[in-house]
Amino acid sequence: GENVEQHPSTLSVQEGDSAVIKCTYSDSASNYFPWYKQELGKRPQLIIDIRSNVGEKKDQRIAVTLNKTAKHFSLHITETQPEDSAVYFCAATVNQAGTALIFGKGTTLSVSS
Amino acid sequence: KAGVTQTPRYLIKTRGQQVTLSCSPISGHRSVSWYQQTPGQGLQFLFEYFSETQRNKGNFPGRFSGRQFSNSRSEMNVSTLELGDSALYLCASSLGAINEQFFGPGTRLTVL
Repeated sequence: GENVEQHPSTLSVQEGDSAVIKCTYSDSASNYFPWYKQELGKRPQLIIDIRSNVGEKKDQRIAVTLNKTAKHFSLHITETQPEDSAVYFCAATVNQAGTALIFGKGTTLSVSS
Repeated sequence: KAGVTQTPRYLIKTRGQQVTLSCSPISGHRSVSWYQQTPGQGLQFLFEYFSETQRNKGNFPGRFSGRQFSNSRSEMNVSTLELGDSALYLCASSLGAINEQFFGPGTRLTVL
């Protein structure tokens, strides 16, 4: 079955710096790759997603890149702010037929001012 | 538009008991997935339902089961509870494949 590896598990940056989180997936049939942000005590919320027919997507300070050949996708956050501090999860679809997701273990991002 | 709702929000049970959790998806969403979240294992997929049919199932023992009703509301059941079942159970609804999943607030289950 699908497996998603996420690195690093923790990431500390200074305000204004960039942060990069990387994920790899195992099933070449996966076709949808969302990124979720979860603040303490809250539910996960989608911050950006990418479909398998797209190589890159950007939304203001957040961007995601996908390399289907290498089965690798990354989250890039520029000009980080203290409110970006949270746990970030990458995910990949279990298969092409449904919406079920396999998640990475998460990255705890700390942005200090 | 109302978001995904889950009931109850908190639950305390003892080993050996069973529990039923409920999830009401966003109106119009026919796909509901369930996940277990623990500090050690992160978010793990339990099962996915679409139009009352289980479409995918994760690697959990048969003590974990679920169902979906004609109005898309879903329930999951855990029988013969174990201490390790203590977790936050999240459900998420979606319009369908390759669409954003919206998460509910979760049910915090504690097994004593």
